[in-house]
Amino acid sequence: GAGVSQSPSNKVTEKGKDVELRCDPISGHTALYWYRQSLGQGLEFLIYFQGNSAPDKSGLPSDRFSAERTGGSVSTLTIQRTQQEDSAVYLCASGGGDTQYFGPGTRLTVL
Amino acid sequence: AQSVTQLDSQVPVFEEAPVELRCNYSSSVSVYLFWYVQYPNQGLQLLLKYLSGSTLVKGINGFEAEFNKSQTSFHLRKPSVHISDTAEYFCAVMGLKGAQKLVFGQGTRLTINP
Repeated sequence: GAGVSQSPSNKVTEKGKDVELRCDPISGHTALYWYRQSLGQGLEFLIYFQGNSAPDKSGLPSDRFSAERTGGSVSTLTIQRTQQEDSAVYLCASGGGDTQYFGPGTRLTVL
Repeated sequence: AQSVTQLDSQVPVFEEAPVELRCNYSSSVSVYLFWYVQYPNQGLQLLLKYLSGSTLVKGINGFEAEFNKSQTSFHLRKPSVHISDTAEYFCAVMGLKGAQKLVFGQGTRLTINP
């Protein structure tokens, strides 16, 4: 079956612009996660959605970051007024139990 | 809260040699343990996981890991590596209670030399 997909695979933007990153989870998975991978910070948790429950936003680094999950499926991570320190690979994962399955990531470069 | 320490940032080995990648964790609650592999420009792929039961778990590509509760370790081993095993390996934990998120180590870059 299809795995987790993310788009775009690469995004180059200018400082101050807004960006949207998309994640399509594995069909039937109720949990969806966003992580960030950067050279300085390694792999960091950002946000977690589980069914219809309120998301766990404890990992979002600032109020410029937000995410939504529509219809319990597709998720969009939005970064407003991007900064150079936002440059990283953004990974999405979905899961139906104790295991998370990752997508290929979106590489974001902020110039 | 949990934390994970991968003791080696880089491990070079020769092809067909055995390898061990070390992982120690800290947690105030019981945890699930995972090893993921990341090939260049790809996402994370699950190698193996420990949830409960036998402390020796086997995964894909001939890898295995042993959970040691007293030493809070979950070291990854392979008896004979191949060039295709060159990748970055991440150890991760997830608490059985509380936030359902993975906490990762800093990664170990495994380089296989011919």
